[in-house]
Amino acid sequence: NAGVMQNPRHLVRRRGQEARLRCSPMKGHSHVYWYRQLPEEGLKFMVYLQKENIIDESGMPKERFSAEFPKEGPSILRIQQVVRGDSAAYFCASSADRGRTGELFFGEGSRLTVL
Amino acid sequence: QKEVEQNSGPLSVPEGAIASLNCTYSDRGSQSFFWYRQYSGKSPELIMFIYSNGDKEDGRFTAQLNKASQYVSLLIRDSQPSDSATYLCAVNDYKLTFGKGTLLTVNP
Repeated sequence: NAGVMQNPRHLVRRRGQEARLRCSPMKGHSHVYWYRQLPEEGLKFMVYLQKENIIDESGMPKERFSAEFPKEGPSILRIQQVVRGDSAAYFCASSADRGRTGELFFGEGSRLTVL
Repeated sequence: QKEVEQNSGPLSVPEGAIASLNCTYSDRGSQSFFWYRQYSGKSPELIMFIYSNGDKEDGRFTAQLNKASQYVSLLIRDSQPSDSATYLCAVNDYKLTFGKGTLLTVNP
């Protein structure tokens, strides 16, 4: 009974490299959310996706960040040309539906460190 | 832009006491409210949600909602050291908007 699976759990990149974070939602869930958490900060919404569609990307930085949730396979959050300020924990969550009854189930997070 | 405000704490209570965590939100139209708990280095986990004005109880936890005051609270009765964590208040439309969280420490 797998929950939300994220990998890698820890990722170290040098400035200018690319980071790819993957998220497999819970079985039966078609809604995926990405959040970023900086040290001593709360969770900041980045993007909400359904299969093959970006529903809301209002929290995504305009440059270097992109997300996808293909028909087959996990959702991917991609950060190009990483900078030190990208160092954070990136959490993926999934839900079975949209709307006020939606309970989010979180993965364990991917912790990105940019050297 | 929805905003959720929480006292960052830390809130320190002795074991067995009642811990009271508070949250205010900016959007008067918000309909549903969630409390998540996050242990250090771990992912958030849902404790309770509440939609209607008043109180909702689940074991040692009680959520309180006052839509007129745009105020949500979480009471933890008989606090245990294992309750020591950061508590995140969140408002839901179709995505969750979180407050920064309140760090709770329960002292044995």
